[in-house]
Amino acid sequence: GQQVMQIPQYQHVQEGEDFTTYCNSSTTLSNIQWYKQRPGGHPVFLIQLVKSGEVKKQKRLTFQFGEAKKNSSLHITATQTTDVGTYFCAGYMDSNYQLIWGAGTKLIIKP
Amino acid sequence: GAGVSQTPSNKVTEKGKYVELRCDPISGHTALYWYRQSLGQGPEFLIYFQGTGAADDSGLPNDRFFAVRPEGSVSTLKIQRTERGDSAVYLCASRRGPFTDTQYFGPGTRLTVL
Repeated sequence: GQQVMQIPQYQHVQEGEDFTTYCNSSTTLSNIQWYKQRPGGHPVFLIQLVKSGEVKKQKRLTFQFGEAKKNSSLHITATQTTDVGTYFCAGYMDSNYQLIWGAGTKLIIKP
Repeated sequence: GAGVSQTPSNKVTEKGKYVELRCDPISGHTALYWYRQSLGQGPEFLIYFQGTGAADDSGLPNDRFFAVRPEGSVSTLKIQRTERGDSAVYLCASRRGPFTDTQYFGPGTRLTVL
């Protein structure tokens, strides 16, 4: 079936280090969305990428959509404690109402 | 209200009982989704409404699960003969525009089946 694979499952970083999570789809995506879920909270929309090769930035966050529209990444520069949470990618396949979700990458800041 | 609301926030029930979970979407949002999220997993699609009709219910795991949205606003997810495996957080999301638009999530209902 249609799947979006997301790695790694967890990433432990020291505050100030960078963080990256990757998503790969088995099929071409019409677009991809990224969400952040804080512990005990619900997913909150961060950004949407639509175009092949698109790169978008939000302050310390950089989002990329692959040329083939099958993969995407989120990179956070110089992590802060407020970045803690689980980051999910979710993509739409063409002609499909369903948003297919990755399993998420949990960002953990080492004390 | 400003966002999607869900009630109750927590529901504890016994195996075999019937439960109803309610979702109030953002006013004016025609699309409504139900998801189920287990610990350490991403949201799992259950059902999608466009207006009053269920446009896609392919994610409902079996016939114990049913959802309605009679007036195109509030939706109720109904689970009959609950099983321990139904324990999860049930999330509702609404969307205003085309299917690629942002989905806004409610806080979820944590269902625990004992």
